[in-house]
Parts: sequence; C-alpha cells; structure tokens
Amino acid sequence: KQEVTQIPAALSVPEGENLVLNCSFTDSAIYNLQWFRQDPGKGLTSLLLIQSSQREQTSGRLNASLDKSSGRSTLYIAASQPGDSATYLCAVRPKTSGSRLTFGEGTQLTVNP
Amino acid sequence: DGGITQSPKYLFRKEGQNVTLSCEQNLNHDAMYWYRQDPGQGLRLIYYSQIVNDFQKGDIAEGYSVSREKKESFPLTVTSAQKNPTAFYLCASSSSAQETQYFGPGTRLLVL
Repeated sequence: KQEVTQIPAALSVPEGENLVLNCSFTDSAIYNLQWFRQDPGKGLTSLLLIQSSQREQTSGRLNASLDKSSGRSTLYIAASQPGDSATYLCAVRPKTSGSRLTFGEGTQLTVNP
Repeated sequence: DGGITQSPKYLFRKEGQNVTLSCEQNLNHDAMYWYRQDPGQGLRLIYYSQIVNDFQKGDIAEGYSVSREKKESFPLTVTSAQKNPTAFYLCASSSSAQETQYFGPGTRLLVL
C-alpha cells in the first residue's frame, strides 16, 4: 500500500529565507506527484504537478523536483514571504489506483515578517 | 465563474441523524471525489465517481453514502452509522485530460 510522508510537520522561518519541504513515498509506481497549498479552513489549491517522466516543475518562486527511483520529492520556495504561510501537502497518483490520490499529512509553514 | 461549490460551510448533526453535504461543479469534469480531513492530518478518500451513475468506495467509506445522478453533482450523506463524523469534508473534481484535482472550499461538520 502506498504511503506518503512529509517532513517536517511544521516549519517556521524568517521572511526572505529560501526553504525546502520534503515528501517521500513508498511505491515508485506512480503516474504523477502533486503539491497543494491549503490555507486554514479552506480547500486545497494545486501548485505544481510533476509527471512520472519529469524531474522538476517550476512556477514563479516555486520549484518541485521528483526522484521517482528513490521515492522523494522536494518543494523549494525561494525568497519566502508571509503570504506563503499555509499548509503544504503532497499527493501521489499510484498506478494501481486509477485516478485516486494518496496524500501526505502536510507541512505547516509559517513565514515571520 | 467556473469552479466547485460546497454547501453548507458549517453543518451540525444531532445524534442518530443523517445529514447531506452538497458538492456542485461547473467545470465539466467527469470525475468527482469526497475526502475527509481530521486536524493535523492529510486527506482520506471516502468515495469517488469516474462517471455519472457510477461510484466506488474509497479508504473510509463506512458510514457514508453517495449518489451521482448528474455530472455536475456528487452529494455525500453522513449516516447515523458514522460514529465519529466531526471533520472537515472536501469535494474535488478532475478531468482525464488535466489530471489535477480541483477542490471546493469545504464543509465543516460538527456533532451536537
């Protein structure tokens, strides 16, 4: 059974710092991996989707990498801002599960002004 | 505006009562999903539907029921058999072409 783990569970950084969030998964047979952002009491917003054949995706100050063989992904946030404060979740789409996603528990990020 | 709407935002359930959470999308997506989120945890899949009039159980379907009579709508009923229903419920949809799941704003269910 696919399991997704995110480390750390919580992270607090000063504004302007570059930071990395980690995601690991146990089964490398995936179609893709996605990173989502969730603000308190809100739904999820998709940030980046990396297909299994890709190594990374970039959007603005965000860069996500995927190493399928080692079962790892990282989300790099450059020049962090207080508005980046949120919970970040990663999810994989296993090849054995159709369109279903398996989510990690998330990293709660706080960027202090 | 295209998107997913969920209602109500807050819902209170009495002991032994069934309640229904609404999810509507105008994105013309074929697939729709219901997730449950408990504090400090990730999302767990309750039910999903790939096409109208068809749906499958997710990882935690016990105590829940769904229907998919229209492409736009995927209501979730929390039955009295669900003994611990307090949670944040999220609905999502996706198309096979885009793969990304789009989420609604969520419904918070509380037990009186």
